Amino acid sequence: KAGVTQTPRYLIKTRGQQVTLSCSPISGHRSVSWYQQTPGQGLQFLFEYFSETQRNKGNFPGRFSGRQFSNSRSEMNVSTLELGDSALYLCASSPDRLNTEAFFGQGTRLTVV
Amino acid sequence: AQKVTQAQTEISVVEKEDVTLDCVYETRDTTYYLFWYKQPPSGELVFLIRRNSFDEQNEISGRYSWNFQKSTSSFNFTITASQVVDSAVYFCALSPNFGNEKLTFGTGTRLTIIP
Repeated sequence: KAGVTQTPRYLIKTRGQQVTLSCSPISGHRSVSWYQQTPGQGLQFLFEYFSETQRNKGNFPGRFSGRQFSNSRSEMNVSTLELGDSALYLCASSPDRLNTEAFFGQGTRLTVV
Repeated sequence: AQKVTQAQTEISVVEKEDVTLDCVYETRDTTYYLFWYKQPPSGELVFLIRRNSFDEQNEISGRYSWNFQKSTSSFNFTITASQVVDSAVYFCALSPNFGNEKLTFGTGTRLTIIP
């Protein structure tokens, strides 16, 4: 069974640009969550999607957005990139919202220069 | 607001020694879930355990054990007879009711096992 797949693995963008990250959950999983990991702030919750609807959102500015498609794949978008957006972005999937175990992907390492 | 504190930033022990990773949490919820995750150098977070707030029984899984004490708001993790493969960053996390949504993570403890 394939795990959570995040693409691309590494990305370098220039300040002011926008970026889209992709997450393909484990087959059959319908819940997808996104987290940002930085040395300064640690792991922070971005948002959670279930059945194509955003169910929870963390304390991030509106420049951070996401969506989920009917096949449960999810994308997150960051517009007007800032240097501080440089981070490892992790996606987690679980079968449903009540499941106890979330499976994480290896993340996308975004560097903003 | 929820908060998870892992006061130990880095720990190094010699292989085969036992090591305990501390986790203290704060929450106003009466029902909540506590987790431990392992992050190896490859980056993905590996689920280790979940505990709900009504279950204070300690748990043992092979060389791993967890001590949940609601009275002190702690959920500590012990590795017995450590191995080099245990080297990783370990995160304690807290979630409101309904499981693993919206996890609040601690800052992590980097564990290095010295051969």
